[in-house]
Amino acid sequence: AQTVTQSQPEMSVQEAETVTLSCTYDTSENNYYLFWYKQPPSRQMILVIRQEAYKQQNATENRFSVNFQKAAKSFSLKISDSQLGDTAMYFCAFGSNSGGSNYKLTFGKGTLLTVNP
Amino acid sequence: DAMVIQNPRYQVTQFGKPVTLSCSQTLNHNVMYWYQQKSSQAPKLLFHYYDKDFNNEADTPDNFQSRRPNTSFCFLDIRSPGLGDAAMYLCATSKGRANSPLHFGNGTRLTVT
Repeated sequence: AQTVTQSQPEMSVQEAETVTLSCTYDTSENNYYLFWYKQPPSRQMILVIRQEAYKQQNATENRFSVNFQKAAKSFSLKISDSQLGDTAMYFCAFGSNSGGSNYKLTFGKGTLLTVNP
Repeated sequence: DAMVIQNPRYQVTQFGKPVTLSCSQTLNHNVMYWYQQKSSQAPKLLFHYYDKDFNNEADTPDNFQSRRPNTSFCFLDIRSPGLGDAAMYLCATSKGRANSPLHFGNGTRLTVT
């Protein structure tokens, strides 16, 4: 079974600065997908960014980018030019590409990010 | 806009009184999921439907049931809520492939008194 570990329960950053959230995972599979989801206070969870394990190039979405280190099983999220609206709980998630239920995600415990003005 | 809608947003029930939470989607996705999320914790998958096929997680209590009468709707039934069942319940959908992101509803906050 896969496990996803987010070692930072809480983080804070000043507005306009850059912050990196950590995520590591454990799997014996070679082909899989990794996701970062954002859950703002009292609002719905939304996808931030997605990475396919077979791609060496790190995914980017505007101010959000990942540092995917497959050998180290690490998938960190970098937020540049942090904005107050980035304040949220961030979840790292793993999606397997094999097995009978390859559409279920395994979530980490989350990192609560606070952006301070 | 295509979306996932959960009703109600807040639900209060009494200890032991059955309660039903609802979820609807306009995305026409194959898979509908129910997650339980307690404060500051990761969402915990209770069960999911792939089309009409029901898939229960091994550690989901029997107290939790689900129905999916059609593609668009899915219900979570808690037969005898206990105080420990107070949580946010999240409905999500996906196309049913490993690279398919989940689309979440706003959640229903359940309080058990």
